[in-house]
Amino acid sequence: NAGVMQNPRHLVRRRGQEARLRCSPMKGHSHVYWYRQLPEEGLKFMVYLQKENIIDESGMPKERFSAEFPKEGPSILRIQQVVRGDSAAYFCASSPNGLTANTGELFFGEGSRLTVL
Amino acid sequence: KQEVTQIPAALSVPEGENLVLNCSFTDSAIYNLQWFRQDPGKGLTSLLLIQSSQREQTSGRLNASLDKSSGRSTLYIAASQPGDSATYLCAVLGGSYIPTFGRGTSLIVHP
Repeated sequence: NAGVMQNPRHLVRRRGQEARLRCSPMKGHSHVYWYRQLPEEGLKFMVYLQKENIIDESGMPKERFSAEFPKEGPSILRIQQVVRGDSAAYFCASSPNGLTANTGELFFGEGSRLTVL
Repeated sequence: KQEVTQIPAALSVPEGENLVLNCSFTDSAIYNLQWFRQDPGKGLTSLLLIQSSQREQTSGRLNASLDKSSGRSTLYIAASQPGDSATYLCAVLGGSYIPTFGRGTSLIVHP
């Protein structure tokens, strides 16, 4: 049973370009969370998705950032018109049925490291 | 808003020592707390998950305790080894169902 798969592992973009980060959750998991990690900082929540639904996007910047989790295929985090401040590690995590009071173990991918030149 | 603090931010110890890493949280109405390990340039590996009704969990040389009322959890590492060197993160799950992370404790165990 493969773990959470993220690609690309490393991505270099110039300012103004678009970055697309992909996340395939663990088999049987239908809930995906995206986090951003900056050097010397903790993980900051961005967005929580189920298949075809955005459950909570309170941590995602209102402009340039979007996320989706289609019925088929991986979850995509899209950053348009990237700026240097978007350089960070972006992590995806999945859980089988969402995090509830009785379950709640989260499984992470290896991350995608975005560098904006 | 839940805030999670981890102390110390960094720790360097000789091999063989027993360690205690601390995690505190401001809102005690939590469902669970999860400890992770992160190696440089890697993702997070789950170590232990403690449900709110539990007091502690153990896995090998690791023991995590939870005191909800005081808003604290500790991760105890027995007989530390150089391979334990990593950043240790705790994450708290509360009513928002979105885990909140601390900044982590960076641990170096030197031979």
